[in-house]
Amino acid sequence: EDQVTQSPEALRLQEGESSSLNCSYTVSGLRGLFWYRQDPGKGPEFLFTLYSAGEEKEKERLKATLTKKESFLHITAPKPEDSATYLCAVQAGTASKLTFGTGTRLQVTL
Amino acid sequence: KAGVTQTPRYLIKTRGQQVTLSCSPISGHRSVSWYQQTPGQGLQFLFEYFSETQRNKGNFPGRFSGRQFSNSRSEMNVSTLELGDSALYLCASSLDGGVGNIQYFGAGTRLSVL
Repeated sequence: EDQVTQSPEALRLQEGESSSLNCSYTVSGLRGLFWYRQDPGKGPEFLFTLYSAGEEKEKERLKATLTKKESFLHITAPKPEDSATYLCAVQAGTASKLTFGTGTRLQVTL
Repeated sequence: KAGVTQTPRYLIKTRGQQVTLSCSPISGHRSVSWYQQTPGQGLQFLFEYFSETQRNKGNFPGRFSGRQFSNSRSEMNVSTLELGDSALYLCASSLDGGVGNIQYFGAGTRLSVL
């Protein structure tokens, strides 16, 4: 059974204090790893898709990387508007369903 | 381009009742997936529809069902509601549900069962 574990559960950063969120996975036949951002009361918003180990993608202050066992979401010089829950999900085998981790709740303070 | 639209946004029901939730996908998207989100379990896959056919199903009881119409709009139904069905129900659409397709989510329907 596909498993996704995210750490830490919660993270509090000061504005400008860079950090990384971890997503470790156990799947048979990874086809894609997805990062989403979810704000309170809203649905998940797509950030990145990574397909193979060694791949990296960047968007503004966020950078996602992928190895054979885990993915990292690096946040450089975060701002208060980056506060949200960050969700990691995997797609494996031939099914299109996403298996999600429980998320990292990020709070960025001034 | 309009995003995924879910209606209603909020619902309050009592145990034993049934409920129907609606999802309109992004224009041109033919695959619709449903997820249940709870504080304890996170997001869990319910089922996926493509071309009016259920293509994948998660580990939920038969009380949870869905359908898709020819215009790709989808509905999910929960019968004989239980307290534990209280959750945020999210719909996601993708181009054709193929592996690697990005799934775009709606804002969800918050269901409270009393």
